[in-house]
Amino acid sequence: QKEVEQDPGPLSVPEGAIVSLNCTYSNSAFQYFMWYRQYSRKGPELLMYTYSSGNKEDGRFTAQVDKSSKYISLFIRDSQPSDSATYLCAMRVMNYGGSQGNLIFGKGTKLSVKP
Amino acid sequence: EAQVTQNPRYLITVTGKKLTVTCSQNMNHEYMSWYRQDPGLGLRQIYYSMNVEVTDKGDVPEGYKVSRKEKRNFPLILESPSPNQTSLYFCASGRGGAGANVLTFGAGSRLTVL
Repeated sequence: QKEVEQDPGPLSVPEGAIVSLNCTYSNSAFQYFMWYRQYSRKGPELLMYTYSSGNKEDGRFTAQVDKSSKYISLFIRDSQPSDSATYLCAMRVMNYGGSQGNLIFGKGTKLSVKP
Repeated sequence: EAQVTQNPRYLITVTGKKLTVTCSQNMNHEYMSWYRQDPGLGLRQIYYSMNVEVTDKGDVPEGYKVSRKEKRNFPLILESPSPNQTSLYFCASGRGGAGANVLTFGAGSRLTVL
């Protein structure tokens, strides 16, 4: 079982739809959970960052972490064509081998929002 | 402007010809890292550095070398490139500690090894 699983899509939705993107993971030691957005031909950029369990909201974006289920989600409300990108989840353990450990990325979900 | 700069952005080379991809950041970040991105495999970490003179292997370090002699620079060296190293490479940097989760990525370097 891979450490981080993410459905690659592609996912196509109409403008204005609510989008749900998800990742599951197997390592219960993960403490930090991030979502990065990557536009075509660009490097990833940080979108959301949460520590441990709970929800975090930033404008149209909401990140949820359910550590009991080893499941994280990113919700996009009122989706726009400009949200069309690949969304990568990322996770890190704390105090792994005395350091912060590696940041582990999901493979990314490609989202297309149609006008 | 705060940024991570990679060069070259595009490179075609031949098997066995040593090459270096440079990476420089102007944010005074302690943490720097190299990733490769391949279709169906996602982003995989090659090497990372928690600070000057401190480097460590990521998930796919074979065939690569790095050095961190200065805080701002973190070059990726391919001593003898092979076709399986054809990929899109990203350098990233972040503050130390938990700040290493908040990474700033470069624009990417697309490498083709013939």
